[in-house]
Amino acid sequence: GAGVSQSPSNKVTEKGKDVELRCDPISGHTALYWYRQRLGQGLEFLIYFQGNSAPDKSGLPSDRFSAERTGESVSTLTIQRTQQEDSAVYLCASSLYYGYTFGSGTRLTVV
Amino acid sequence: AQTVTQSQPEMSVQEAETVTLSCTYDTSENNYYLFWYKQPPSRQMILVIRQEAYKQQNATENRFSVNFQKAAKSFSLKISDSQLGDTAMYFCAFSQNSGGSNYKLTFGKGTLLTVNP
Repeated sequence: GAGVSQSPSNKVTEKGKDVELRCDPISGHTALYWYRQRLGQGLEFLIYFQGNSAPDKSGLPSDRFSAERTGESVSTLTIQRTQQEDSAVYLCASSLYYGYTFGSGTRLTVV
Repeated sequence: AQTVTQSQPEMSVQEAETVTLSCTYDTSENNYYLFWYKQPPSRQMILVIRQEAYKQQNATENRFSVNFQKAAKSFSLKISDSQLGDTAMYFCAFSQNSGGSNYKLTFGKGTLLTVNP
């Protein structure tokens, strides 16, 4: 597609539920990144994919967070047993080299 | 570990005037990239300008320019002829090759810029 697409745009979930956030990168972009942006903060790196593998998962905050990518395309970020501190905007970006294109993010609210 | 500091949480400027946003960073690396991103209420991060550390010449993009001081580890953004559409959060970011093609970004906390009519 023309840009990076993320869905859903907004998600409200109850504490303890699992959520899945989806990212569709730009076709042909081999690198894909997930970032988290808490209210009033900058973006925090979560995970990097090169193709289907994730050589850098250093930013995942706990084992409740996981991500996968299939076919060098769609990526899914899963948060299990959500907590209120997981409330944030989750942004995805894709890249060929060091030039990023970001999606518009998913705003996750845990109530 | 790299850190990026933006010391101005909020700034305001009158339309058509010039404003400078500050950014400092800390790294032990010699080759890296610096960026300014704009985030309007739509949430999408938009690249404003990019600077490669090995280039001494300051990057410019139309009304946007940077003052890159490598020794001081400073990377400020100047916006000339400010427009109402420039109102947004501005983030300074740092990247280096973290292995393979991993160019993960480290962001500052942002500066909220308001352009007043």
